[in-house]
Amino acid sequence: GAVVSQHPSWVICKSGTSVKIECRSLDFQATTMFWYRQFPKQSLMLMATSNEGSKATYEQGVEKDKFLINHASLTLSTLTVTSAHPEDSSFYICSATSRGYGYTFGSGTRLTVV
Amino acid sequence: AQTVTQSQPEMSVQEAETVTLSCTYDTSESNYYLFWYKQPPSRQMILVIRQEAYKQQNATENRFSVNFQKAAKSFSLKISDSQLGDTAMYFCAFMKHAGANSKLTFGKGITLSVRP
Repeated sequence: GAVVSQHPSWVICKSGTSVKIECRSLDFQATTMFWYRQFPKQSLMLMATSNEGSKATYEQGVEKDKFLINHASLTLSTLTVTSAHPEDSSFYICSATSRGYGYTFGSGTRLTVV
Repeated sequence: AQTVTQSQPEMSVQEAETVTLSCTYDTSESNYYLFWYKQPPSRQMILVIRQEAYKQQNATENRFSVNFQKAAKSFSLKISDSQLGDTAMYFCAFMKHAGANSKLTFGKGITLSVRP
């Protein structure tokens, strides 16, 4: 079956630094990747949608300059949290789809900003 | 805009018994897709079952089945013979159409605990 690899699974960083999270589709070409944020015991909140080779589309209220998304190839999308602050601490999940037929989720990244 | 409502925040069931998780949604679309996802303590999202709105037959996957009532916009999940491994958060989700950029709209989720 389709597999999406997300790394790192957890990361601790200092306030003011940047963190990059990678999302790779291992056995299929992901035409679209989605990035979500999830707080404990809450639902997934869509942050942005990215297509290979084009700029990401951000949801309302999500800071584009804070959460940089790059979808450089059909198998790789990255989310960079720039100048991270404690309020950015959260669980980030990516998902990938090939032409909208089935969604596969990464295993998530727990980000802690200290 | 589509909305997905899961009004029960938590449920508990005895092992081997049956439990039903409720979900309602609102949309003006006639063709769409509905999903149930499971998120165990590992937090990996796992697809449980999928239903196409144009199909009248309710989807079934082993111990998991749905009751899809299109007119009532209801999409409940029945778990039969509950197992300890079913303990997880369950999310109902809606997708307007298949294709590039199709987004999933999630409900708030329900925490299911299976008691030994």
